[in-house]
Amino acid sequence: QQPVQSPQAVILREGEDAVINCSSSKALYSVHWYRQKHGEAPVFLMILLKGGEQKGHEKISASFNEKKQQSSLYLTASQLSYSGTYFCGTDYSGSARQLTFGSGTQLTVLP
Amino acid sequence: DADVTQTPRNRITKTGKRIMLECSQTKGHDRMYWYRQDPGLGLRLIYYSFDVKDINKGEISDGYSVSRQAQAKFSLSLESAIPNQTALYFCATSTSGDYEQYFGPGTRLTVT
Repeated sequence: QQPVQSPQAVILREGEDAVINCSSSKALYSVHWYRQKHGEAPVFLMILLKGGEQKGHEKISASFNEKKQQSSLYLTASQLSYSGTYFCGTDYSGSARQLTFGSGTQLTVLP
Repeated sequence: DADVTQTPRNRITKTGKRIMLECSQTKGHDRMYWYRQDPGLGLRLIYYSFDVKDINKGEISDGYSVSRQAQAKFSLSLESAIPNQTALYFCATSTSGDYEQYFGPGTRLTVT
């Protein structure tokens, strides 16, 4: 089942904060976050694993609530470069063989 | 040079035609994926391959087939294209030791 992302869209001014949520009705082993800028390919941001481990490139923060099967991505002091569509991908098997992506959250940061 | 390349980048074809989308990578990754992206639906997995002899169906494989010709090449075929296969198609790669998937630039396919 496709995870549910909320909100579907958010508009911010530079410097403001945003939270993007990803919820699943099934037990999750890991949550993967990607960002896609307009006209470009998705780019990996980070992964949150069951047990609390996190791996990522960017200086962003996220949480993974295993009891609620939810993950949240925290974008603080947003910059213009944060604009794009954020997708969460969920792994239900534990092997990351197959990710199921949410429908995305469109983030627009205005000057 | 791009690590993951897709050809063609844009293609318009007619209903009933057979079409092949190609993906090549120079990253040395063993895992390759084909996704389809439609507005408002996110990325949906069509097929994935963990090595040359390992091909697996994803969530929306009907109407599609794939071929892993070599570790670096993974092709997606539409045997008889239909208009609802109009979409943006992405190829992605990863390694068995890393969770990150690297996406190609995408192929925009229009079926008329």
